[in-house]
Amino acid sequence: DAGVIQSPRHEVTEMGQEVTLRCKPISGHDYLFWYRQTMMRGLELLIYFNNNVPIDDSGMPEDRFSAKMPNASFSTLKIQPSEPRDSAVYFCASSLPPGQGNYEQYFGPGTRLTVT
Amino acid sequence: DQQVKQNSPSLSVQEGRISILNCDYTNSMFDYFLWYKKYPAEGPTFLISISSIKDKNEDGRFTVFLNKSAKHLSLHIVPSQPGDSAVYFCAARGAQKLVFGQGTRLTINP
Repeated sequence: DAGVIQSPRHEVTEMGQEVTLRCKPISGHDYLFWYRQTMMRGLELLIYFNNNVPIDDSGMPEDRFSAKMPNASFSTLKIQPSEPRDSAVYFCASSLPPGQGNYEQYFGPGTRLTVT
Repeated sequence: DQQVKQNSPSLSVQEGRISILNCDYTNSMFDYFLWYKKYPAEGPTFLISISSIKDKNEDGRFTVFLNKSAKHLSLHIVPSQPGDSAVYFCAARGAQKLVFGQGTRLTINP
């Protein structure tokens, strides 16, 4: 199994540009999570999906952020327009349904976003 | 409001000795606790977990202890090895979500 796949690994963009981060979860995992890691706030949950449906987006910082999961094997996190304070490492994670594991989430390698 | 806290940003331990990483939480509704390990430029990887109905779980060199009355958990690594040098995150599960602590950077010295 290839694990959770994220692309790109690094993204450098200018303020005001649109940024799209991509994630392919582990096959068979019903839950998908998007996290952001910064020095100030640590690892914080942005949004999570169950069976492709967004369940909780209370962590999404503002309307500039949006996430979609058009099918079980693909999700995107979009920032439009991007701002320098969005610079962070963005992680995608997936997990089995409750009762089929230890609730552990499997993380991708992350996308390091730099907005100048 | 930080529901999960790791008060030690860093810890340095001699190779072969015991490493003890601590974590405190505030929400008594958390039902599962996990420890993750993270190397630079990689995503966090699952290490060990414990249900809220238990007070100890052991896996090889790693043991997690849970003290529900104190809302405190700890991760013991013994003996510590150079490859254990990483950032360790504790996480607590509530309402299908994991809440992570800020992390503790563990350095194992030869």
